[in-house]
Parts: sequence; C-alpha cells; structure tokens
Amino acid sequence: AQSVTQLDSHVSVSEGTPVLLRCNYSSSYSPSLFWYVQHPNKGLQLLLKYTSAATLVKGINGFEAEFKKSETSFHLTKPSAHMSDAAEYFCVVSASGGSYIPTFGRGTSLIVHP
Amino acid sequence: KAGVTQTPRYLIKTRGQQVTLSCSPISGHRSVSWYQQTPGQGLQFLFEYFSETQRNKGNFPGRFSGRQFSNSRSEMNVSTLELGDSALYLCASSLALVGQGDGYTFGSGTRLTVV
Repeated sequence: AQSVTQLDSHVSVSEGTPVLLRCNYSSSYSPSLFWYVQHPNKGLQLLLKYTSAATLVKGINGFEAEFKKSETSFHLTKPSAHMSDAAEYFCVVSASGGSYIPTFGRGTSLIVHP
Repeated sequence: KAGVTQTPRYLIKTRGQQVTLSCSPISGHRSVSWYQQTPGQGLQFLFEYFSETQRNKGNFPGRFSGRQFSNSRSEMNVSTLELGDSALYLCASSLALVGQGDGYTFGSGTRLTVV
C-alpha cells in the first residue's frame, strides 16, 4: 500500500523569497517520487523525479527536491519565487514491487505576491 | 515535437448518455494512462494501456473503459453517465509503463460536464 500527504493545501510567498512545498509518503516498496505542476486549465507538467539515484534531485525552473528516507519526505524547494511559479503542485508516489499505480497528493496551491 | 493531444477539450452530456474521449500520445510513447481530476477526490488513476493491453487499473466501476490502438492512440469510454462523472479527464503518455521510473507527459485534458 502507498500514500502521499501534502502537508499544506496553500502556501503564500512574496516574489523573490524561498519556496518550500512539503510532501510525506508511505510505501511498502522502494518508491519512485515525482513533483508535477499544473497551471490553470492545463495538464500536469513534470518538474522532477526521484528513482533511487541521487537523493537531491534538480528539476526544471530552478526547483529541486531532497529524498529523505528516514523522514519519508520529498519536499520541493526553490531559492527565489517568481510570479510565474503560481500554480498547483502535486507530489506523486509510485512503488516498484507493486502494481506501479501512481498515487497523487491532494495538491498545494502556491500563491506568489508581488 | 508534438505533445499529448486530447480531444475534445470540452463536453457537455446528459445523465444516462455515454461519452468517448480521445488521446494521442507523443510519437514513440507506448504507454497511455488516464486520470480523473475532481475538486472532491483530487487526481485519481483510471487505467493504463501499453502495447494495446490494459496493464493497470484503478478503483473505478466498469462503466469506465478504454482501449488502445496499434498506433498507441487511446480512447476512454464512460457509459451511463452520472452527475458525479463531471471532471477533468487527463491522459498522459510515457515510453515505459507508468511508475517505472519515467515521468509522464500530460495532455491538457477534456473537461466533461454531466447535466
């Protein structure tokens, strides 16, 4: 069984300040973890993925995430928010050894103030 | 390189009707997976097709079905529509089976409204 919890439904930051979107997961197997972003009326775009290689994963648009097995976390960060980062972000877990069906978090809405 | 194309973008149907949605994957991608997105339930996996065979299935009733053609294009069908089927339906394509380490590329979705 697997699950994913995004700890904040909304995160509000000022432009130019750091972004932290939190994600905790549970999985009976070695997980693959993903972060996706969804802008209004659009599909999801892959930001980055962890698949048991380096624990610090760099993605597009300056985002990165760190896989911490001891904390079962995969938090998404960015040093400096841009107005264009305002969107919905989804953390996704998929586990090997199981059926690979992905489980999505409920999403975190990132609000960026000028 | 063309992305994932979903048609139509918007649909309005009446309860009891059936609907077919279409998804054309990125050229060379053999996996197509389908998702339902609603405000109440969030994003949920429906099913995945790979090389014309259903490989994984989520927890949805049998009214939801799909198929994949030899050119990897996929269709999703919902029969006997209910009000609760109103949602954004997303499809995604990838080279490998969903979840096997590859990310997937999503289309923009089909917004289905059941009245």
